[in-house]
Amino acid sequence: DVQVLESGGGLVPRGGSLRLSCEASGLIFKSLWVHWVRQAPGKGLVWVSRTNSDGSDTTFTDSVRGRFTTWRDNAKNTAYLQMKDLRAEDTGLYYCAIGYKYYFDNWGQGALVTVSS
Amino acid sequence: SSELTQDPAVSVALGQTVRITCQGDSLRNYYACWYQQKPGEAPLLVIYGENNRPAGIPDRFSGSRSGNTASLTITGAQAEDDGDYYCNSRDSSGNQLLFGGGTKLTVL
Repeated sequence: DVQVLESGGGLVPRGGSLRLSCEASGLIFKSLWVHWVRQAPGKGLVWVSRTNSDGSDTTFTDSVRGRFTTWRDNAKNTAYLQMKDLRAEDTGLYYCAIGYKYYFDNWGQGALVTVSS
Repeated sequence: SSELTQDPAVSVALGQTVRITCQGDSLRNYYACWYQQKPGEAPLLVIYGENNRPAGIPDRFSGSRSGNTASLTITGAQAEDDGDYYCNSRDSSGNQLLFGGGTKLTVL
C-alpha cells in the first residue's frame, strides 16, 4: 500500500520558520514529482509548490516564492518544505501530494501549521 | 486571468446527472484535473488529462473541456459522491498550478 506521511507541523510565531517533511512508501518515489498543497481552516485548496524527481526543478506559487524552499532526499524517500518569514495567511493544513508534473494521485493526511499573530 | 472559477454549490437528485464547471482563460490551452474531498479527508484525484480516471474511480465520472470551461460530469450520482470538488490546472503562464475555489456537491 502507498503511504504518504507529513510531519513537522506546529504553532509558530509570525516571522518564524518551520520545516515540514513528507515521507513516502509503496511507490517509486525517486521517479515522481512532489507537490505541496495547503488548505486554510474551512477554505479551499491552494497549490504551493512542486519539485521534480531529482529536485533540479522547483516551482512556487507567487505568495510564497522567496520565503519557502523545497528539496528532496530520494535515498530516504522524503521531501521537505522549509518555510520562513511565516505570515498569518500561511496558516493551514499542508498536504504533500505525490504524482506527476500537472496532477497528483497520492496524498498524505496533512500537517497543520498555525502562525500566531 | 490566472484564476479558475467554480460555482460554490451544486445539488443533484440521487441517480441523476450533474455537471460541475470550472472557468478560466488558461483552460483554453490546458486540461484541468479534478479532485474530490470529503470532510476530514485528503483530496482524491478523480479525473486527469483529457478524460482519464485513476484506478478505482467509477466510470460515472468523466471530464471534458470546451473553450475556457472544463467540466466534471457525474452520470447517475450516488450518495457517496457528496463532497467538495476542486478543479486544478496551470495558470496562464503555464508555469504554476492553481485550484478553483471548489464546488460543494449535495446529492439529494
